[in-house]
Amino acid sequence: GQQLNQSPQSMFIQEGEDVSMNCTSSSIFNTWLWYKQDPGEGPVLLIALYKAGELTSNGRLTAQFGITRKDSFLNISASIPSDVGIYFCAGQGIASNTGKLIFGQGTTLQVKP
Amino acid sequence: NAGVMQNPRHLVRRRGQEARLRCSPMKGHSHVYWYRQLPEEGLKFMVYLQKENIIDESGMPKERFSAEFPKEGPSILRIQQVVRGDSAAYFCASSPVEDSNTEAFFGQGTRLTVV
Repeated sequence: GQQLNQSPQSMFIQEGEDVSMNCTSSSIFNTWLWYKQDPGEGPVLLIALYKAGELTSNGRLTAQFGITRKDSFLNISASIPSDVGIYFCAGQGIASNTGKLIFGQGTTLQVKP
Repeated sequence: NAGVMQNPRHLVRRRGQEARLRCSPMKGHSHVYWYRQLPEEGLKFMVYLQKENIIDESGMPKERFSAEFPKEGPSILRIQQVVRGDSAAYFCASSPVEDSNTEAFFGQGTRLTVV
């Protein structure tokens, strides 16, 4: 089945630094989504991307839908302590007509004040 | 306007017992998705339901697992004769329209522990 490879697996950075994480797939996706999950909570949608090449920002977050439709990245600028959490990419495959999502393995972000 | 409500938040079952997980979608949402998350992994799709219909159960284990979304009441994920490997967080998401999981909102999850 379709899989997403998300990297890095974890990051430990200083407050104020920029962060970048990405997802790749061997197959094409129609939609790329980025979620954040806090401990004990459900995923919260950060950014949704619907077109190849699309670049979208949400505050300090910027994400892009790769032109090949097989990859996406998420950047966080000027990180702050509340950015701590697990970030997941998720995609809706081209063959899917039910809206189900394929999730990456997650990137755990830790921010040192 | 309440979000997706899942209960219980935590559930402990002994091996061989049954686990029932409930999901009340957001008001006006008629599409429900169930996902399972093992420790330190991403979410894995299990099943997609509309009212009274299972649309896609390709991610559901063939045995012991079942799901329903009745005309009235919450969606139920049922696990019979639980085993240790069923221990995980189970998330429900709901959306108002078909093929719009991108607009789906996730609940806080039910954390199942099998002892």
